[in-house]
Amino acid sequence: GESVGLHLPTLSVQEGDNSIINCAYSNSASDYFIWYKQESGKGPQFIIDIRSNMDKRQGQRVTVLLNKTVKHLSLQIAATQPGDSAVYFCAETPSNAGNNRKLIWGLGTSLAVNP
Amino acid sequence: NAGVTQTPKFRVLKTGQSMTLLCAQDMNHEYMYWYRQDPGMGLRLIHYSVGEGTTAKGEVPDGYNVSRLKKQNFLLGLESAAPSQTSVYFCASSYSEELPPYEQYFGPGTRLTVT
Repeated sequence: GESVGLHLPTLSVQEGDNSIINCAYSNSASDYFIWYKQESGKGPQFIIDIRSNMDKRQGQRVTVLLNKTVKHLSLQIAATQPGDSAVYFCAETPSNAGNNRKLIWGLGTSLAVNP
Repeated sequence: NAGVTQTPKFRVLKTGQSMTLLCAQDMNHEYMYWYRQDPGMGLRLIHYSVGEGTTAKGEVPDGYNVSRLKKQNFLLGLESAAPSQTSVYFCASSYSEELPPYEQYFGPGTRLTVT
């Protein structure tokens, strides 16, 4: 399954399938990006980050891809499990924000995993 | 390590009442943040602190005050609660805003209802 960032906030996939969650970031000066996972009733939790000098970074069952040309970020989850059901947020931080960088948050995509 | 803790977890206020939300972190982080999260609006920064004794306004500061008297604690106050302040409030902390990683660590949230 694939979502298109902020315009399609809900993604439903079958257990075992791969999930792709997309994010269109806003600032061409952003050079650091983070994906967070927020389970129901909990605070956001760090999943993976990527710097702008990289196109791809892999973690455990997750891969983040960065396309700076079109300002697009994606999170791929392999073999999606019921425990992956959550809201996923991308966040960016621009390099032209001075010494004190704040995270700029996307609106989130809800991932529902069907057994 | 407990990480970031928040008290209380739930609270119901009547319009005009006041309350203080407490955030504590045991990671010796310099930076602390208060966010509110409303359906469909992602995370919005209320106030933040770049160190003990400092506070600054975020994106939506009106109706809130904060204090950071101790490095490990960040308090969020509502002097006269309004129904528009019904939300889930998250505290976060981070090690650095000047060098990566810029990861923020979140507490479990406080669900506030103002009637």
